[in-house]
Amino acid sequence: TQLLEQSPQFLSIQEGENLTVYCNSSSVFSSLQWYRQEPGEGPVLLVTVVTGGEVKKLKRLTFQFGDARKDSSLHITAAQPGDTGLYLCAGGRGIYNQGGKLIFGQGTELSVKP
Amino acid sequence: KAGVTQTPRYLIKTRGQQVTLSCSPISGHRSVSWYQQTPGQGLQFLFEYFSETQRNKGNFPGRFSGRQFSNSRSEMNVSTLELGDSALYLCASSRLTGAPVDTQYFGPGTRLTVL
Repeated sequence: TQLLEQSPQFLSIQEGENLTVYCNSSSVFSSLQWYRQEPGEGPVLLVTVVTGGEVKKLKRLTFQFGDARKDSSLHITAAQPGDTGLYLCAGGRGIYNQGGKLIFGQGTELSVKP
Repeated sequence: KAGVTQTPRYLIKTRGQQVTLSCSPISGHRSVSWYQQTPGQGLQFLFEYFSETQRNKGNFPGRFSGRQFSNSRSEMNVSTLELGDSALYLCASSRLTGAPVDTQYFGPGTRLTVL
């Protein structure tokens, strides 16, 4: 059962364009994390959001956690080739995130062409 | 500060064999989690260890097992390998401070190919 649905699965855009990746669920999560993974490497944490409605910005990346803590979005402004990679959302359950038990979405493969 | 290290990075085995993968967490981190990543299923949680005890387990068959040592290093073992076990196996460590969210730091993974 896939509890976190990410869309789109693939995205190919030109440098300078904006994009949004969505992460949706029918379940409530105590936290939502976004990772970026490059080929041959493990995922690297970009941000963690824990409060419904929370918005966090990381340079050209804007992350939002839905009011009901069931969904999240990642918006990239003026994408650059260096943004290319696999973007993963992951939900944590329980009061203390139950340690390592993150539930991952399928990922969005982003390709930014110069 | 050294990151999470995993050995070996690449492994080729044949069906029916068994394999052991190793993970060394970041110094001071006591929780180690294992994930399997495949193109079809994405990242799936295998199990988590804390203080040498398995705290959480995902929905994988008993062929998948793990353990953690007193120095927090962890190993996972897959017995009677099947073709479908071909995947990137990722290890992640966290400090587990008791805060609502503990950041997990991933290693580079071990790429297992089963022929």
